[in-house]
Amino acid sequence: EPEVTQTPSHQVTQMGQEVILRCVPISNHLYFYWYRQILGQKVEFLVSFYNNEISEKSEIFDDQFSVERPDGSNFTLKIRSTKLEDSAMYFCASSEEVGLARSFGPGTRLTVT
Amino acid sequence: GESVGLHLPTLSVQEGDNSIINCAYSNSASDYFIWYKQESGKGPQFIIDIRSNMDKRQGQRVTVLLNKTVKHLSLQIAATQPGDSAVYFCAETKAAGNKLTFGGGTRVLVKP
Repeated sequence: EPEVTQTPSHQVTQMGQEVILRCVPISNHLYFYWYRQILGQKVEFLVSFYNNEISEKSEIFDDQFSVERPDGSNFTLKIRSTKLEDSAMYFCASSEEVGLARSFGPGTRLTVT
Repeated sequence: GESVGLHLPTLSVQEGDNSIINCAYSNSASDYFIWYKQESGKGPQFIIDIRSNMDKRQGQRVTVLLNKTVKHLSLQIAATQPGDSAVYFCAETKAAGNKLTFGGGTRVLVKP
């Protein structure tokens, strides 16, 4: 069964540095998402992406965040200048249609020191 | 500042018994609901979904019940197995919406 994949599985970075988290969504899916989960907390929506543009974003997704689909397979989340509070698990997800369940990737654990 | 973690309700179940996990959802406009299972260190895994035009849906060993009047969702797991030990989240959205909102989660511990 096709799966969403994410790299790296764990990223450690210093405060103020830029990070790029990478995802390969399921190949026939058209809708892409990023979520995050701070340790011990709920999974929170960050952004949705369709047809090469952001379709919705949360208040968490401020100017420090950006997403891109640089080619036909990858979907990336960039954090321009990381803060300590950005430490979390970041999950990529995709769905075939907007009204269908999202398939989640295994996550990237981001640790900002 | 101090980070406040989520205090997950925990359901301890004897192996072989049935489990019922409850969820109160927040938005009366939501019309699509999903249950996810999350094992430690992994991403949410789809279990079952239901649309608001239904009040019950069955899968393999799982049943989801939806009560729109009181905005309540439940997940029933039949003959719970050790592999069912995980955190279970309900999530809600509008069918045409982008944002999936997760509930707080319930930890299920299966005792052998």
